[in-house]
Amino acid sequence: DARVTQTPRHKVTEMGQEVTMRCQPILGHNTVFWYRQTMMQGLELLAYFRNRAPLDDSGMPKDRFSAEMPDATLATLKIQPSEPRDSAVYFCASGKGFAVTEAFFGQGTRLTVV
Amino acid sequence: AQSVTQLGSHVSVSEGALVLLRCNYSSSVPPYLFWYVQYPNQGLQLLLKYTSAATLVKGINGFEAEFKKSETSFHLTKPSAHMSDAAEYFCAVSDQDSGYALNFGKGTSLLVTP
Repeated sequence: DARVTQTPRHKVTEMGQEVTMRCQPILGHNTVFWYRQTMMQGLELLAYFRNRAPLDDSGMPKDRFSAEMPDATLATLKIQPSEPRDSAVYFCASGKGFAVTEAFFGQGTRLTVV
Repeated sequence: AQSVTQLGSHVSVSEGALVLLRCNYSSSVPPYLFWYVQYPNQGLQLLLKYTSAATLVKGINGFEAEFKKSETSFHLTKPSAHMSDAAEYFCAVSDQDSGYALNFGKGTSLLVTP
């Protein structure tokens, strides 16, 4: 059963600490999206990659967030230093092709920064 | 820039009643349109999609939506609500200008009462 795998599922950290979230896209999918979900803002696109190349990361706070794809099976989202306002659920989604007609979402990482 | 507006952040229907969730989009080029469902503590699951083929689209769990270009709408309907339909529903748009990244609406929480 192909699915997008995100780790960890839950993370509680102290303000100022580095946080790394990982995503394993579905095998064969060449497009990866990172979204952040909060009650106030809903689902915000942070960044996305196609064929491991970053296409758009304009939704990310550049001074503290970074997203990479070290290889086709791993995407990472890092926050350094973390702040309480970063508390949210972070979703990774993957899809196939240039015009993605179905994006498959992972279960999300629930981040709490205290 | 493309965007999606979902009218009504909360919708309540009786079991067996018609479900109608509203979505209006803006896009300067032909869009792809999607409805996703999210159950508590879960990722998003695709219900249905419009990708420039038939304007009436049928999805899973008895849901359907109709693309109306003249009204820039893509409303989601189901003839008869089940208790299991209670969830958060998201409309999303993508197009060539956005690099086919999904841009989500704020979501509509559907409550089904006995």
